[in-house]
Amino acid sequence: GAGVSQSPRYKVTKRGQDVALRCDPISGHVSLYWYRQALGQGPEFLTYFNYEAQQDKSGLPNDRFSAERPEGSISTLTIQRTEQRDSAMYRCASSPTGGSGYNEQFFGPGTRLTVL
Amino acid sequence: AQRVTQPEKLLSVFKGAPVELKCNYSYSGSPELFWYVQYSRQRLQLLLRHISRESIKGFTADLNKGETSFHLKKPFAQEEDSAMYYCALHSYSGAGSYQLTFGKGTKLSVIP
Repeated sequence: GAGVSQSPRYKVTKRGQDVALRCDPISGHVSLYWYRQALGQGPEFLTYFNYEAQQDKSGLPNDRFSAERPEGSISTLTIQRTEQRDSAMYRCASSPTGGSGYNEQFFGPGTRLTVL
Repeated sequence: AQRVTQPEKLLSVFKGAPVELKCNYSYSGSPELFWYVQYSRQRLQLLLRHISRESIKGFTADLNKGETSFHLKKPFAQEEDSAMYYCALHSYSGAGSYQLTFGKGTKLSVIP
């Protein structure tokens, strides 16, 4: 079966432009996570969805970052007025269920964002 | 706040030599720890979790609460073990979700 997919795989944009990154989770997975990974760092949590509800956005760095998952499946992470410091790998992960019990998170290939 | 520390950015070993990738954590609750691996040109994937206490691809990791460590070990390294390894802690964010906190990762290079 298909795993988590992300598009685009690579995105180069100019400072000040808006970008939208897409994540298509494994079919039927309830939970969806977004992470950001800067060069030389581990993935850093951004936000979490349980079905269509954004239950945790504590990791979003500022109000230029937003995410949605309107139908509880595909999710979009939007960065407005991009800055060079936004350059990173953006990773999406999904898991079958949510809550306190750990369920393996399945990661997508990531989107490499470069802001010039 | 929770924190995961991987002190080595790069670890080079010869094929057949033992491997130990270090991981230390800081967390006030009961920890759930994992090792994730990323092979070249592949996506991040789960290698093993401390709860299952299993050996995957010859790797094991024991949770030591006294030393707050979860080191990854393998007695005899293989070339195909060359990859980026991340230690991760599953914990409550305090803001509505359980999430993974990752270390910075250790790149393992196995020399033929």
